[in-house]
Amino acid sequence: SQQGEEDPQALSIQEGENATMNCSYKTSINNLQWYRQNSGRGLVHLILIRSNEREKHSGRLRVTLDTSKKSSSLLITASRAADTASYFCATAPAGGTSYGKLTFGQGTILTVHP
Amino acid sequence: KAGVTQTPRYLIKTRGQQVTLSCSPISGHRSVSWYQQTPGQGLQFLFEYFSETQRNKGNFPGRFSGRQFSNSRSEMNVSTLELGDSALYLCASGEGGSREKLFFGSGTQLSVL
Repeated sequence: SQQGEEDPQALSIQEGENATMNCSYKTSINNLQWYRQNSGRGLVHLILIRSNEREKHSGRLRVTLDTSKKSSSLLITASRAADTASYFCATAPAGGTSYGKLTFGQGTILTVHP
Repeated sequence: KAGVTQTPRYLIKTRGQQVTLSCSPISGHRSVSWYQQTPGQGLQFLFEYFSETQRNKGNFPGRFSGRQFSNSRSEMNVSTLELGDSALYLCASGEGGSREKLFFGSGTQLSVL
């Protein structure tokens, strides 16, 4: 079953604009990750934020995490046409030994128009 | 380092047949996980292996099985295929025992006719 929701389901913007995607989850987590998927291909890891962190940056990406609200957001600044892809949040559960067991959201389809 | 390699890339089977998918993780990675991706259900966790042992299993019927070899390569098998098994099957390898990022292969697109 899916961990939670991603919002919006689809986002269409112009090059140069910022894109913000939101993710909500249901259970306690060890970390939350964002992945990108180009059509029909494998997922590429973008950024990981641990449960005790509130914000993290990587290049044009900024991720925030609010564990009290069980939510996260991904901001892509100065979007490019090459950023067009589906973006997924994924949570790793707290406790246990779930090395590779991530629970994914439904994803946000981002389209960046040149 | 070479990335995660999945074979075959595409597969067409008929209902009732069985299929075996292969995954070679990144050299040095001991953790391999499998995911099923469909338009309706999204990305669903199938199972994960670490040092040849199944660590976790998702909510899939017993027709779905897997194994990991001593060189960390993994296979998953689906027996008695159903139309609903049509999906992109993704394999991911992990750097080690901590809950860090996963590296995904390009997937095997399975079509069941």
